Amino acid sequence: KQEVTQIPAALSVPEGENLVLNCSFTDSAIYNLQWFRQDPGKGLTSLLLIQSSQREQTSGRLNASLDKSSGRSTLYIAASQPGDSATYLCAPYGNNRLAFGKGNQVVVIP
Amino acid sequence: NAGVMQNPRHLVRRRGQEARLRCSPMKGHSHVYWYRQLPEEGLKFMVYLQKENIIDESGMPKERFSAEFPKEGPSILRIQQVVRGDSAAYFCASSPPSGGLTDTQYFGPGTRLTVL
Repeated sequence: KQEVTQIPAALSVPEGENLVLNCSFTDSAIYNLQWFRQDPGKGLTSLLLIQSSQREQTSGRLNASLDKSSGRSTLYIAASQPGDSATYLCAPYGNNRLAFGKGNQVVVIP
Repeated sequence: NAGVMQNPRHLVRRRGQEARLRCSPMKGHSHVYWYRQLPEEGLKFMVYLQKENIIDESGMPKERFSAEFPKEGPSILRIQQVVRGDSAAYFCASSPPSGGLTDTQYFGPGTRLTVL
């Protein structure tokens, strides 16, 4: 059974700082890994998808890395903005499903 | 291209009633997944369906829960004789015909079920 852990569980940073969100997973037999953003009471917005054969994926201020063999992924958000405040979820895909941890709850202070 | 649609967005039921949750995948998507998010918990997989087929229902409780994705119309998650512990947000996700192996899953806004 895939277990996903995200550290830190919660963090607050001043606007402009870079964010580093860590994700670890126990089963490296995955096809891909997605990062999502979830706002309170809302659905999930897909941010990035990294295929298992890739090491890195970038979209604008977001960069995600994947080390499949060690079961780790990191999401970097450059120059954080108050609008980045949300919960970020890492979800490896394998065994017909995405597996989720409890997320990194981020607050960016203006 | 409209996103994944779920309805109703909010559903209130009394214990013992039935709940029906609907999901319309994105246009061209033939794979549907249902996930449940209990209060203060992460999302948990329930079931994976393709048109007219249940591919994997290993995450779904054996009793009272069922899911379908007919040839025509939305996918339906049905909960019979609801109990308070069923109160949660239920999310549907869809992906293109290649399934989740290489493709992004797109999530709907969720249905928030409250059982009184």
